[in-house]
Amino acid sequence: RKEVEQDPGPFNVPEGATVAFNCTYSNSASQSFFWYRQDCRKEPKLLMSVYSSGNEDGRFTAQLNRASQYISLLIRDSKLSDSATYLCAVNKGSNYKLTFGKGTLLTVNP
Amino acid sequence: DAGITQSPRHKVTETGTPVTLRCHQTENHRYMYWYRQDPGHGLRLIHYSYGVKDTDKGEVSDGYSVSRSKTEDFLLTLESATSSQTSVYFCAIRTSGMGEQFFGPGTRLTVL
Repeated sequence: RKEVEQDPGPFNVPEGATVAFNCTYSNSASQSFFWYRQDCRKEPKLLMSVYSSGNEDGRFTAQLNRASQYISLLIRDSKLSDSATYLCAVNKGSNYKLTFGKGTLLTVNP
Repeated sequence: DAGITQSPRHKVTETGTPVTLRCHQTENHRYMYWYRQDPGHGLRLIHYSYGVKDTDKGEVSDGYSVSRSKTEDFLLTLESATSSQTSVYFCAIRTSGMGEQFFGPGTRLTVL
């Protein structure tokens, strides 16, 4: 089993749709979790940290399920500008090294 | 803006030549990281640094070396570039206790 796995997609959704991404991780000792957004030919940008209790930032909600070892990202009321690749990242704790999933491509269509 | 710059932004070189990529930060963060990103593989850690002169290997360190002689600069060297090292290279810094990392704009390296 890979350390961090994501559904590669692509996800094609209409504007206004709700879309959810999941990311599973294999190491139960993982300590912190993040979602990044990457636009084409750009650097990854931190979208959200994922807290144990779940957290929300506007249209974005992130959740952590330690028992099943996955994190999720929910995007509500999708906008055209949400089109990007979404990467999950997991920190096992040693020198804060992150392991990234390969990313899920989202295209929001008008 | 995390104050990270990378140079050069683009480079084309030939197999067998040495190449050095530079990452510069303006905020004195202790931890710095070098990643490469390739289609089908995602972001993979090459080397990282946890202080001046303190570096360690990541998962794909073969063929790469690093140096950090001052806090603000982290250099990645390909001693003898190969075509398999054609990639996009990102530098990142860690800025907080949870381990969030912020990335530089990347360097696109092509080895012919």
